[in-house]
Amino acid sequence: DQQVKQNSPSLSVQEGRISILNCDYTNSMFDYFLWYKKYPAEGPTFLISISSIKDKNEDGRFTVFLNKSAKHLSLHIVPSQPGDSAVYFCAAGGGYQKVTFGIGTKLQVIP
Amino acid sequence: DTEVTQTPKHLVMGMTNKKSLKCEQHMGHRAMYWYKQKAKKPPELMFVYSYEKLSINESVPSRFSPECPNSSLLNLHLHALQPEDSALYLCASSQNRGVDYGYTFGSGTRLTVV
Repeated sequence: DQQVKQNSPSLSVQEGRISILNCDYTNSMFDYFLWYKKYPAEGPTFLISISSIKDKNEDGRFTVFLNKSAKHLSLHIVPSQPGDSAVYFCAAGGGYQKVTFGIGTKLQVIP
Repeated sequence: DTEVTQTPKHLVMGMTNKKSLKCEQHMGHRAMYWYKQKAKKPPELMFVYSYEKLSINESVPSRFSPECPNSSLLNLHLHALQPEDSALYLCASSQNRGVDYGYTFGSGTRLTVV
């Protein structure tokens, strides 16, 4: 049973435009959500996170939005750059619960 | 030093072999993790160590044996593995065990069991 779902396996975006990566979750106990970025032959890198007490968190070009009622979060990258091309993992957890990862979305930013 | 270092990067082993994966961090992180990732699947948690003590074992078969000799090192001892154990094994660390601490991952060990 996938508790964290990333339904789009891949996404292509033109350089300079907005990239929107989506994630849905099913476990109501999750209260902390994270995004990781992974380049080939490297481990995932922590990107940005959000607590369930917030609905938005921003860090430079990256913004994560959380809609608790819909159990949905999204990562916005504006403007997208070719160096953003990577696999993006959504992850979620609560307290000392284990962090559960989604399957990932491969983003390609086209110059 | 802001890295998690995993060795070896690649490992091919037979089903009767004994081998070990190593993971090292010098960030003063007190929680360390082993994850397993198969192709087109999310990373799956195997073990969590907190302050050098095993705190989570996700019902991993005994042919995988973790060890945390000190706060900077994490090993995964492998014995009598099966071909289906072939995967990318990722080590991670975080400041503490709470989920609100972002993990720092190593580059992984690509394991092939023949």
